[in-house]
Amino acid sequence: GAVVSQHPSRVICKSGTSVKIECRSLDFQATTMFWYRQFPKQSLMLMATSNEGSKATYEQGVEKDKFLINHASLTLSTLTVTSAHPEDSSFYICSASDRVPGELFFGEGSRLTVL
Amino acid sequence: QQQVKQSPQSLIVQKGGISIINCAYENTAFDYFPWYQQFPGKGPALLIAIRPDVSEKKEGRFTISFNKSAKQFSLHIMDSQPGDSATYFCAATTDNTDKLIFGTGTRLQVFP
Repeated sequence: GAVVSQHPSRVICKSGTSVKIECRSLDFQATTMFWYRQFPKQSLMLMATSNEGSKATYEQGVEKDKFLINHASLTLSTLTVTSAHPEDSSFYICSASDRVPGELFFGEGSRLTVL
Repeated sequence: QQQVKQSPQSLIVQKGGISIINCAYENTAFDYFPWYQQFPGKGPALLIAIRPDVSEKKEGRFTISFNKSAKQFSLHIMDSQPGDSATYFCAATTDNTDKLIFGTGTRLQVFP
């Protein structure tokens, strides 16, 4: 199957700083990528849908000014957690598809810890 | 109406046994039902998926049973192995969005 790569896999930052997480589709072009958030022992919650060349669509309750999403190319989407706080500590996972409808491929996830 | 309910929350099975996980949904617009396997610290990986036009799909030891009228679907893992120990998520979506709605997850432990 297709490969989706996330970087970094782990990041620790101080409260108040911003952190950028990258999601890349390595062997296919993804017009749409999705960002999920997962707390320990909980399910994946969709945060936003990232569309190449246009603004992301955020799910209800997700602060778009806090979680900035940029999908600048067909193989790269970034999630920036701005002014991070300890409650933003979570596992962030992206997914991408090479077509709609199609199988969604998930990245390995990025664990953010905010001190 | 967008929820997908999953049970049980955790499951302990002996090696060689059958693991059964159930999911139910409300939104009749859902037309694609995948199951994902997730190991600790990793992203989910697609196991098997089904569409409403069939009642059962089997791939190796994994089988999905689908009951459209009851709006329920289940995952059966035959001959469960310790390597199957993971968290399993059912999900649902409509073809034109690819927005997956995940169930709450089932933590499966298979003991030798």
